[in-house]
This record gives sequence, structure tokens and C-alpha cells, in this order.
Amino acid sequence: GQQVMQIPQYQHVQEGEDFTTYCNSSTTLSNIQWYKQRPGGHPVFLIQLVKSGEVKKQKRLTFQFGEAKKNSSLHITATQTTDVGTYFCAGNPSGSARQLTFGSGTQLTVLP
Amino acid sequence: NAGVTQTPKFQVLKTGQSMTLQCAQDMNHEYMSWYRQDPGMGLRLIHYSVGAGITDQGEVPNGYNVSRSTTEDFPLRLLSAAPSQTSVYFCASSYSDNTYEQYFGPGTRLTVT
Repeated sequence: GQQVMQIPQYQHVQEGEDFTTYCNSSTTLSNIQWYKQRPGGHPVFLIQLVKSGEVKKQKRLTFQFGEAKKNSSLHITATQTTDVGTYFCAGNPSGSARQLTFGSGTQLTVLP
Repeated sequence: NAGVTQTPKFQVLKTGQSMTLQCAQDMNHEYMSWYRQDPGMGLRLIHYSVGAGITDQGEVPNGYNVSRSTTEDFPLRLLSAAPSQTSVYFCASSYSDNTYEQYFGPGTRLTVT
């Protein structure tokens, strides 16, 4: 079945440093979503990417979808303590929500 | 709108006991689903529903049952709890089965001893 691999599993950064998490799918994706889960909380939707090579920005967050639609990345510039949490990608090979496959997540710790 | 609500927040069961995890949404979403979250394994789909009266299995359905008698409610039943079902359970909903953002409930932390 479809697999979505996410690296790294953990990342500790000093406040102000940049952070990147990477997501790779074993199959070509129709779209990819990104979620953030704060410690003790629930996943919250951040963004969805659909087009090959797409780049979207949300303030200090930059999301990319690979040209082959098999990989994606989330980059945070100048991390803040509010960025702490686990970031998940969720890949979808079709347009159906039932096939959404989550990566294992990257847990980000920001040291003040 | 309350969004997606789940009860209880925490539950401890003994092996062999049964229970129902409740999930409700007030956004008139067609699609609802249940995930379990285990350390290092992301979220895995247990069961889903594309509308009232329609349910189907996800990736890890064994030991769980669901029903969807109304648009709003989507309870998850554990038939005979096992320690392997110790996990955090999230209910989610979205506008439809097409790929829209998933709205997650606050979760139920279940421990089976």
C-alpha cells in the first residue's frame, strides 16, 4: 500500500534558527496536506498543495510540492517558541479523503 | 459552532471490556472518520463514513465497529478491549469525501490494562 515517509522524526533548534521537515511518498500524489499538532492537542490543518512544483507561504512557513508530486517540504524561517509541536504531512493518491495517508510526523522543539 | 467534539477525554479499561467513544460534529459535514495515533506511527485510519448510513473500513479496523445513523454522530465501539488498543483516538470530519481539510476533535486517550 501507499507509504508516506517523513524525516526527521525529531528536531531541536535554537529560537531564531530555521527548520525543515521532508515528506516522501512511495506513489504519485494527487495532493498533500500539512497539519500541526501542539503538545497534548489535536492536529490542525495548515495547508493543501495540489499542483506540481507548487510553493505556498504562510508568514514564516513555506510549503513546497515536488515536481513529480511525490515529495513535499515545510520550511519555517526564524523559529519561535510558538512553533513547538509535531508537523504531519498527509498524502493523497486520489481525490478521496479515505485514502489520506499520514506521515509519522516531525516533532519540533524550540529552545529559548 | 463547537466543531468536532469527543467524549470521554480519558478512559481506562480492563482487557475484555467494551466501550463506545462518542464523536459529534455540528458543521453538517458528510465525511467523518476515526484515527488512532501511536508514538512514531502518525495517524492511522480505523473506519470512515461518507454519509449517514454508510460506513467502511480503513487501514486498521480490527476490534472496532462504527455506525452512522445521523449526519452529526459517528461513535466508535471497542468490542473487547485489548492492551494493543491503548492509544489516542481522534475523530475527524470534512465537508465531503473529496480532499478537503480535516477537522479533528480533541481526542480520547485510552489505556487498556
